[in-house]
Amino acid sequence: QVRLVQSGAEVKKPGASVKVSCKVSGYSLSKFSIHWVRHVPGKGLEWVGGFDPKNGETIFGQNFQGRVTMTGNKSTDTWYMDLTSLRSEDTAVYYCATDRAGLAAVSGWLLTFEFWGQGSLVTVSS
Amino acid sequence: DIQVTQSPSSLSASVGERVTITCRASQSIPIYLNWYQHKPGKAPKLLIYDGSKLQSGVPSRFSGSASGTEVTLTISSLQPEDCGTYFCQQSYSTPLTFGGGTTVEI
Repeated sequence: QVRLVQSGAEVKKPGASVKVSCKVSGYSLSKFSIHWVRHVPGKGLEWVGGFDPKNGETIFGQNFQGRVTMTGNKSTDTWYMDLTSLRSEDTAVYYCATDRAGLAAVSGWLLTFEFWGQGSLVTVSS
Repeated sequence: DIQVTQSPSSLSASVGERVTITCRASQSIPIYLNWYQHKPGKAPKLLIYDGSKLQSGVPSRFSGSASGTEVTLTISSLQPEDCGTYFCQQSYSTPLTFGGGTTVEI
């Protein structure tokens, strides 16, 4: 069974950065590519980007390239998302999710979110 | 970017009723649409992928179908635990995009 456990809530000031972690259990980090998705209060879901720890490939959502860094630590089976230059509009619950290609044992991306973390609330406020 | 339009934005139905939710993509990509259930305070859950394939462990009352640029999520007999928000998502090309969501109330 795949389980993703994310870091806790954060409160940041505008202009600061935040680092959210996502630890996988049940499988090795290398098994999956990971996506980050956010849910802004009162709005829908927005894809932040994806990271493949096997080759370091990253793909980005429209509003995030240049502001987000996605990495993985194989020794601790933990992914990380760094978001910089925070603004109030970044206030959201951030989720990590595995790409379905992992358990389907296919290379590349299937761009479908199979297993999700519990979410990490990031609040940006002065 | 591919836009995904979802309808209705909310619905209320009784236990045992049949419920349908529709998504339309701005391009013809019917098998590259997925459905998720999201309950407050919980992680979203994949229900249907590739338009009509039931994710392992999801009850068989959930089904998906595709026709042209439109996909439909059907709950054949609504249960109390099915309340929540349902989102579709296109997996055809990046940037990945979601429909606006449908809130289902019992």
